[in-house]
Amino acid sequence: DGGITQSPKYLFRKEGQNVTLSCEQNLNHDAMYWYRQDPGQGLRLIYYSQIVNDFQKGDIAEGYSVSREKKESFPLTVTSAQKNPTAFYLCASSISPSLAGVADTQYFGPGTRLTVL
Amino acid sequence: GENVEQHPSTLSVQEGDSAVIKCTYSDSASNYFPWYKQELGKGPQLIIDIRSNVGEKKDQRIAVTLNKTAKHFSLHITETQPEDSAVYFCAARFPYKYIFGTGTRLKVLA
Repeated sequence: DGGITQSPKYLFRKEGQNVTLSCEQNLNHDAMYWYRQDPGQGLRLIYYSQIVNDFQKGDIAEGYSVSREKKESFPLTVTSAQKNPTAFYLCASSISPSLAGVADTQYFGPGTRLTVL
Repeated sequence: GENVEQHPSTLSVQEGDSAVIKCTYSDSASNYFPWYKQELGKGPQLIIDIRSNVGEKKDQRIAVTLNKTAKHFSLHITETQPEDSAVYFCAARFPYKYIFGTGTRLKVLA
């Protein structure tokens, strides 16, 4: 899991609630990512951020929001607009996606399992 | 569009045998291809990677091969052990993001 921490490990949400998942990294990486993983499926990109105060929607951004106020932190909020939020959420970081020729390996955190009650 | 296909979805091998997992990618501009191992309830861990200027890379029992012309790359695990049992994901780097395959569940039978 390297220098990426996610909290909490397990999270339970009632319908209609917003919840925020924490992701912190001490690797001094510029880029951070949020993925959603459903049973038997691959990783789908929710949001990504290449630099502080900037982020872009991934393939499944609807019902989610993020912020990137600090280089080391990239919290994800699952809003009540997300109709099927039960999943395993993974945060990742990499050195910099904008440097041509750099193999900016992604390193993953341990994940947060979100369950809607 | 950007896409990575991974096969097979499940793979069972006897301990000591070899395992091969294959991926194809859509964008010839992709230049970096990592492989991850994910154990149950944990985040993916990088096990090996390859850049587009290299055709093969080995690390002990694990190797990856890349065919840029055909746009496919493969993971080879030799002398498999029970602790190799996990889900393996391939990925391809596209501009500013990665696309992941859907995963292969490898079971090594003792």
